[in-house]
Amino acid sequence: DQQVKQNSPSLSVQEGRISILNCDYTNSMFDYFLWYKKYPAEGPTFLISISSIKDKNEDGRFTVFLNKSAKHLSLHIVPSQPGDSAVYFCAASGIGAAGNKLTFGGGTRVLVKP
Amino acid sequence: EADIYQTPRYLVIGTGKKITLECSQTMGHDKMYWYQQDPGMELHLIHYSYGVNSTEKGDLSSESTVSRIRTEHFPLTLESARPSHTSQYLCASSWDRVDSPLHFGNGTRLTVT
Repeated sequence: DQQVKQNSPSLSVQEGRISILNCDYTNSMFDYFLWYKKYPAEGPTFLISISSIKDKNEDGRFTVFLNKSAKHLSLHIVPSQPGDSAVYFCAASGIGAAGNKLTFGGGTRVLVKP
Repeated sequence: EADIYQTPRYLVIGTGKKITLECSQTMGHDKMYWYQQDPGMELHLIHYSYGVNSTEKGDLSSESTVSRIRTEHFPLTLESARPSHTSQYLCASSWDRVDSPLHFGNGTRLTVT
């Protein structure tokens, strides 16, 4: 039972345009959401996060939007750059002592074409 | 910037061998984790630790075991490797705060022949 789903396994976008990555979750106890970026043969790198008390968080070219009622979040990358080509994972965690335990989605592979 | 190191990066080993995957972090993080990832799939938590002498099983059942004798060190051991253990193993650490993101090592890609 996948509690965090990324329904698009891949995305191709032209350099300079917007990349939009989507993520859906089913567990209403999740209250903290993160995006990670992963290059081949490397570990995931933290990108940006959002708490459930917010609906938007922005960091440079990266913006995460959270729609709690729809149990949906998205990551916008503007403008996309060739170095953004990687696999992006959505992750979620719940409240409580075990709050850092992350549940990951299956990832979306992004290819930014020059 | 968190520094977290995993060795070896790649390991090819025969069935039945005992292996230990090493993970060390230099940030003094309280929590440490082991995730397992098959190609193209999500990461699954197999073990975590809140601190020294604390270890817990994760969401995905694993035949591996872990220990946390020192804050900075969280090794994973497989007593008898099998081909079904072939996967990538990722170690991570974080502070004990819900808003503390996990910092990952570069992983160990294990192949059991």
